[in-house]
Amino acid sequence: GDSVTQMEGPVTLSEEAFLTINCTYTATGYPSLFWYVQYPGEGLQLLLKATKADDKGSNKGFEATYRKETTSFHLEKGSVQVSDSAVYFCALRLGTGTASKLTFGTGTRLQVTL
Amino acid sequence: DAGVTQSPTHLIKTRGQQVTLRCSPKSGHDTVSWYQQALGQGPQFIFQYYEEEERQRGNFPDRFSGHQFPNYSSELNVNALLLGDSALYLCASSLGPAGRQETQYFGPGTRLLVL
Repeated sequence: GDSVTQMEGPVTLSEEAFLTINCTYTATGYPSLFWYVQYPGEGLQLLLKATKADDKGSNKGFEATYRKETTSFHLEKGSVQVSDSAVYFCALRLGTGTASKLTFGTGTRLQVTL
Repeated sequence: DAGVTQSPTHLIKTRGQQVTLRCSPKSGHDTVSWYQQALGQGPQFIFQYYEEEERQRGNFPDRFSGHQFPNYSSELNVNALLLGDSALYLCASSLGPAGRQETQYFGPGTRLLVL
């Protein structure tokens, strides 16, 4: 079945360090790919998305490129801040409209320290 | 513009009881999806409602049922609660096939504890 694999956490970085969180997927078709972020005690917020191969999603300094050849969608940020501390989820979606469930990875916790 | 809202925020039940969780979608959205997020895990898809019908279902038993109302709000019902049902239940809304915006927006969740 369809699945998403994320790197294990927690990832601990100093402020202004470079961030990479790896995400790879398995899917029977051509999925759309997403990164969601979950701050403590809150629901999920969409961070960025890409809907086809070679698309780059970006938001708030984060970016990820849809790589069909490596079935990957790694999340990067050039300089993290303490406020980026959260759990990050990679997800895929096959289908559109009403047949459009999201399949999530297990999440990667990011801790940024001063 | 109100986002996705869920109620209650927290709930404690005992094994065997029944629970109803509620969700109001983001303004303008007509599709509601429900997810279960166990501690330390990613959300798992339960089902999706559109036009008051269940359109897609994940790998959850029949103890999990739902409903969508004409105003697009939705309920998730869980019968015969088990300890393993303890989780954060997330509702997500989106615009169905009539629209182009299919991104799912999540509510803050209802945290259910089964004792």
